[in-house]
Amino acid sequence: EPEVTQTPSHQVTQMGQEVILRCVPISNHLYFYWYRQILGQKVEFLVSFYNNEISEKSEIFDDQFSVERPDGSNFTLKIRSTKLEDSAMYFCASSEVRTGGARTEAFFGQGTRLTVV
Amino acid sequence: SQKIEQNSEALNIQEGKTATLTCNYTNYSPAYLQWYRQDPGRGPVFLLLIRENEKEKRKERLKVTFDTTLKQSLFHITASQPADSATYLCALGESGGSYIPTFGRGTSLIVHP
Repeated sequence: EPEVTQTPSHQVTQMGQEVILRCVPISNHLYFYWYRQILGQKVEFLVSFYNNEISEKSEIFDDQFSVERPDGSNFTLKIRSTKLEDSAMYFCASSEVRTGGARTEAFFGQGTRLTVV
Repeated sequence: SQKIEQNSEALNIQEGKTATLTCNYTNYSPAYLQWYRQDPGRGPVFLLLIRENEKEKRKERLKVTFDTTLKQSLFHITASQPADSATYLCALGESGGSYIPTFGRGTSLIVHP
């Protein structure tokens, strides 16, 4: 069964460093998302990406964050100058687009646990 | 302000019983509502989607109802099993908006053998 894959599963980084989280969405999906979940809190939307550009973003997704689809399969989230409060699980998700433009349900990857020390 | 509310207290039930989880929302006009399962340290797994013009959806032992007047969805698991123990999240996508799911905090379900 197709699935969204994320690497690495766990990343530890020093405060102030840059990290890149990687995702391979399901191959025929056209919408891609990043969410995060701080320990014990709810899953929060960060950004969606469609047709090689950001389509929506939340207030959390500030200039510290960027996304890229560097090739036909990968979708990355870059966090510059990481802070302690960036420690969280980061989930990538993807969805199809039906005829007429409606998106289908989102399929989530297993997440990358980011720990900033 | 917009809210998606799910019971923060864990739901404990005996194996074989029906589990019922609640999702209430405020100041949303959802085009659809989704239910996800999340196991510790894992990503949400999609279970069911119900659209604004649907009252009920079923899939195997799962049933979802959607009452846009009460602004509530109920999620039922019949003949529950210990393997059903997990956190269940509801997520809304708004009509006229981006359709991006916004999640509630989830309710933990514990099924005792």
